[in-house]
Amino acid sequence: QQQVKQSPQSLIVQKGGIPIINCAYENTAFDYFPWYQQFPGKGPALLIAIRPDVSEKKEGRFTISFNKSAKQFSLHIMDSQPGDSATYFCAASMGTSGSRLTFGEGTQLTVNP
Amino acid sequence: NAGVMQNPRHLVRRRGQEARLRCSPMKGHSHVYWYRQLPEEGLKFMVYLQKENIIDESGMPKERFSAEFPKEGPSILRIQQVVRGDSAAYFCASSPTTVPSVPLHFGNGTRLTVT
Repeated sequence: QQQVKQSPQSLIVQKGGIPIINCAYENTAFDYFPWYQQFPGKGPALLIAIRPDVSEKKEGRFTISFNKSAKQFSLHIMDSQPGDSATYFCAASMGTSGSRLTFGEGTQLTVNP
Repeated sequence: NAGVMQNPRHLVRRRGQEARLRCSPMKGHSHVYWYRQLPEEGLKFMVYLQKENIIDESGMPKERFSAEFPKEGPSILRIQQVVRGDSAAYFCASSPTTVPSVPLHFGNGTRLTVT
């Protein structure tokens, strides 16, 4: 019940495309859903996050869509660029566990020029 | 303001040796989290510490692994009698608070290779 399932495992798009990464969770106590971006040899860095009281959040080219009833959320990257090539992780946490995050398995995104 | 500093970046140990991984949180951060990342997998929570206290070690193997965050100095993740299965990237993250919406700041990790 603590798991967060992420798909696809890898994704290849052309520059300008809109990759979509999906995540699903079981534990309804989760109340904070961040996305992290990780480049090779680096630690994850927070990209964007959402709470379940909103259905969508946009920051620049990145958008989270959240479906509370389905317990699913997704990341959309508009006008993707080769520099967006990285591994993306969704995560979830609950207020009672502080900042402890449960991560999805990751999606390796490649944006071809 | 320096970010989360982890050292060493790479560590090679033979089976049976001890590995010590160090993490200096960001200035002003008193909450430290350790995560392990196996090849081609996501990050798995290991332990959450505050200064001089282990708050949650539910993700840490019961044997051979220990962690501390002393009053002075970095947090240490210690792995005794390492085995090949311990080979992974170990990430430390810090936060100034337990409020989830305040983002965790991750270090660049220590890549442990057990030969």
